[in-house]
Amino acid sequence: AQSVTQLDSQVPVFEEAPVELRCNYSSSVSVYLFWYVQYPNQGLQLLLKYLSGSTLVKGINGFEAEFNKSQTSFHLRKPSVHISDTAEYFCAVRYSGNTPLVFGKGTRLSVIA
Amino acid sequence: SAVISQKPSRDICQRGTSLTIQCQVDSQVTMMFWYRQQPGQSLTLIATANQGSEATYESGFVIDKFPISRPNLTFSTLTVSNMSPEDSSIYLCSVEGLGAGDTEAFFGQGTRLTVV
Repeated sequence: AQSVTQLDSQVPVFEEAPVELRCNYSSSVSVYLFWYVQYPNQGLQLLLKYLSGSTLVKGINGFEAEFNKSQTSFHLRKPSVHISDTAEYFCAVRYSGNTPLVFGKGTRLSVIA
Repeated sequence: SAVISQKPSRDICQRGTSLTIQCQVDSQVTMMFWYRQQPGQSLTLIATANQGSEATYESGFVIDKFPISRPNLTFSTLTVSNMSPEDSSIYLCSVEGLGAGDTEAFFGQGTRLTVV
């Protein structure tokens, strides 16, 4: 079955430190990849997406992600986090054009002052 | 992008009652989806609602429990019927297919439901 794995359920990090949130997906010929963020008591907001082209994708709020086809990964990174980045982060994959997104279980990022 | 309004934003309901959640989009969309997010969990797709046809339910979800309406291209409702405490979740409306080649999903703010 097609799946998305977020290896870390919780990631605590100090303010201004770098962070990487990991995401792996089950192999497929072609995929579309997404990262969403959910702030407390809010819906999901798109951070960035990979459809094709350059494997390094830049998103909002200083986040970026790199598509690695050989490792079937799409890890999210930020060089310096802020308190306001505290949220739940979801990796999502679309395995073909008309199928719904498949979500990972989420990673709770907690930024510590 | 799309602006999606969900109502109510939250509710506390008695077990055995039903709640209807509304989702309004500011543009016409073909595909609308309803998700459930249980406490501390990821999103689980309940059903896909396309205008002019019956909703398609995912495994584990049935129409009698989660009836869906899709009367036009900008509106949908999800009803949670005969509620029990296990139905306490966030319910999210999502839309896709806003433009040719557009693959991303947009989400409403969610409805936080507590069943007591």
